[in-house]
Amino acid sequence: QPVLTQSSSASASLGSSVKLTCTLSSGHSSYIIAWHQQQPGKAPRYLMKLESSGRYNKGSGVPDRFSGSSSGADRYLTISNLQSEDEADYYCETWDSNTRVFGGGTKLTVL
Amino acid sequence: QVQLQESGPGLVKPSETLSLTCTVSGGSISSNFWSWIRQPPGKGLEWIGYIYYSGSTNYNPSLKSRVTISVDTSKNQFSLKLRYVTAADTAVYYCARFYNWNDGMDSWGQGILVTVSS
Repeated sequence: QPVLTQSSSASASLGSSVKLTCTLSSGHSSYIIAWHQQQPGKAPRYLMKLESSGRYNKGSGVPDRFSGSSSGADRYLTISNLQSEDEADYYCETWDSNTRVFGGGTKLTVL
Repeated sequence: QVQLQESGPGLVKPSETLSLTCTVSGGSISSNFWSWIRQPPGKGLEWIGYIYYSGSTNYNPSLKSRVTISVDTSKNQFSLKLRYVTAADTAVYYCARFYNWNDGMDSWGQGILVTVSS
């Protein structure tokens, strides 16, 4: 089954951009993933589905500041014009025919 | 927009069975896939399992021997049973939906904290 690897933490300044990475394990570089945001004390929120081609489809109400891209086994979430409410944990999710897997999450601090 | 709401006891004794229900509103449970996920305090997300509305299931191999997920289409609900719980099962439990097998979980419940303690 696939494994997802994420950096444990990241930080960026208010109004700047940040690019978070989710890396798929060997042999799974073609897999589709989803990105989720979890603000402190809240349930996760679906952000987007991201394909290996870099094509992505965002969930309802997700701001234009959020975008996705891909390179090989890496899946990226870019947040532009960072706002204070973007301070959150970000998780990637993937799946195969009978399993669902989450990455360990990245804690984003907005400075 | 489909909405999900978890319900059940917030405290379960060690060695007993944790039982939770997820009620789906704003749409029919008779389509899509329905999942349970948990998050221990201060830790990341762990997938528990999912059920298709027809009743077919898949479980996390690490929990498979203790988990049962079922669906009640007449009540628009699906349920989780986790047997022989220990303190390590203390977590916030979420229910979620994914539209088809090749999609991410796009709707989440608010979560319910379940503590395992005597």
